[in-house]
Formats: sequence, C-alpha cells, structure tokens
Amino acid sequence: DQQVKQNSPSLSVQEGRISILNCDYTNSMFDYFLWYKKYPAEGPTFLISISSIKDKNEDGRFTVFLNKSAKHLSLHIVPSQPGDSAVYFCAASAYGNKLVFGAGTILRVKS
Amino acid sequence: SQTIHQWPATLVQPVGSPLSLECTVEGTSNPNLYWYRQAAGRGLQLLFYSVGIGQISSEVPQNLSASRPQDRQFILSSKKLLLSDSGFYLCAWSVRRQGGYGYTFGSGTRLTVV
Repeated sequence: DQQVKQNSPSLSVQEGRISILNCDYTNSMFDYFLWYKKYPAEGPTFLISISSIKDKNEDGRFTVFLNKSAKHLSLHIVPSQPGDSAVYFCAASAYGNKLVFGAGTILRVKS
Repeated sequence: SQTIHQWPATLVQPVGSPLSLECTVEGTSNPNLYWYRQAAGRGLQLLFYSVGIGQISSEVPQNLSASRPQDRQFILSSKKLLLSDSGFYLCAWSVRRQGGYGYTFGSGTRLTVV
C-alpha cells in the first residue's frame, strides 16, 4: 500500500529553468509534508516542509505547494542549478509519527 | 546542538553472519527514532520506529530486529544475514518543533551481504 507516490522516476531540466517535482498521497490523516534531497551513499537532507493548514511555503529558490482536496503536493525549484541534481523524496507524516516516503524522483539539471 | 551518529559507514558481511548497527542521538531527549532501508534503485522503506525506551514497532516482516536500550540509542540487529538484507540503512530521529516536526537523518550504513 503506497501511501505516498512519486510517479515520475526522473526529470531532466535545463539550468535556469523551473523544476517541478510532484507527489500524491492517499492517507487523509497526513498533516505534515516534507521534501528531502539525497545524494548516493548519504543520508537525506531536509529541504522544505509544509503543514496541512497551509497551501504554500517558500524558502529561497524552493517552494512547496499543497492541494489538500487533490491530495497532491509539488516542489518548485527556480531557477534550477546543476548542483540541484540529486534524488528528491517526498515524505508525509500524521501527528508527528513515522515518515512515509515516496519512491523518489531523480532530477538532472543540465548546464 | 542536535546530532545523530550512525556507524559503521560501510560493512561487508557474509551470508549467515550476525549484524549490529548502532545509532545514537545527542542534544535532544525522548526523540522518536527510526530505522529506514533503501534497497538499490528503490525508495526509503521504514523498518522500525520507537517512541520510547523498549518500545519498538515493526513495519515489515523481515529478518531484522531493533532495540532501544537507552533513550538516545537505537540498534538494528540480525542473527543471520540474508543476501536480500543488502542495502543502505538510515537511522533518523524526530522531535516536535514550532510549526511542525523536525526529522534528521544519519549519514547511513552501506551493508553488502556476500
């Protein structure tokens, strides 16, 4: 039972353009959503989060949008840089309990 | 400051041998602790989580077990490793913060069972 889904295994974007990574969830009890960036053989690094009481959160080049009715969230990176190339994981939790992760999306930013 | 230590960084073990991976947390008390595994080309799968000393919840049936002998110590073990236990193991902790929850991951252990 995949409660958090990232349906795009990979995404390729030109440097300077916008990267949009998508995530869908099925559990309506989720109230906190996070995006992580991960390089091979390293632990995930926290990028940005959003509570279910909000529909947008912005931090520098990163913006997360939450559409609760559609059970969908997205991460926008503007402008994309080559250093952004990594695997991006969407994750969700209910009341601060265990994080449930999506399968990840590989982002490649071409220079 | 709050930090998480996980060791060893890499491990090569023969099939049938035991396993013990250790994770310790500093700078916080009574955290929730987690063990995740990332198999090759796969996402992060939750294996175990703990909300307190001696309290372990298992997410998937498997060849592994976990223990929490102290508040800030979380151990992942196996009596006999299988080839399918190979993967990248990550320890994490979470604590409530203003506006939500903070989750922090260790640097991971690459386990290869041969």
